[in-house]
Amino acid sequence: AQKVTQAQTEISVVEKEDVTLDCVYETRDTTYYLFWYKQPPSGELVFLIRRNSFDEQNEISGRYSWNFQKSTSSFNFTITASQVVDSAVYFCALLAGGTSYGKLTFGQGTILTVHP
Amino acid sequence: DAGVIQSPRHEVTEMGQEVTLRCKPISGHNSLFWYRQTMMRGLELLIYFNNNVPIDDSGMPEDRFSAKMPNASFSTLKIQPSEPRDSAVYFCASSLALASRDHEQYFGPGTRLTVT
Repeated sequence: AQKVTQAQTEISVVEKEDVTLDCVYETRDTTYYLFWYKQPPSGELVFLIRRNSFDEQNEISGRYSWNFQKSTSSFNFTITASQVVDSAVYFCALLAGGTSYGKLTFGQGTILTVHP
Repeated sequence: DAGVIQSPRHEVTEMGQEVTLRCKPISGHNSLFWYRQTMMRGLELLIYFNNNVPIDDSGMPEDRFSAKMPNASFSTLKIQPSEPRDSAVYFCASSLALASRDHEQYFGPGTRLTVT
């Protein structure tokens, strides 16, 4: 069975602070994919990044960066110099192979509030 | 390029009524997913299709729920009869494929369903 744990339910920061959102996953599959989605107050779910299990390179996109570590089964997301517009619920998700292929398993989400 | 389109955006209905939610996936995407989001249970996958064929409906809560995908550009999720506990936001998502590198799911804006 697949499982995603986002231990931080809520995080509150002041604008320009850096913030890291934690994600720990469980799967027995050797091939799997990890995702981060953003859900702003407007409600839609926005795809941010996909990472494949065979590619442990970290990725940076502007103020966003992702740290994938298979040794600790973690896929953490860092926002540098946070802005008010970053306020949203962030979901980490796992897609694994086998009979459940195609099914995204979501974490419970982390509510990020960035104060001006 | 249009994203996933869902209608209606909001639906308020009385218990016992039939509710039909509609989804148009991104053109060219072969896989379609229906999710439900509630505060208590988070994001749950209800059913997904690949090439218009239902692959896994194990997430459908009960027989009152049914989903169809008559063609590549349209899907419906029907609840009959509706109950207050069905109140949730229902998301439709689509992806290019299930078993390839290009399978990140893109979500529609959701339908907020309220059953009174």
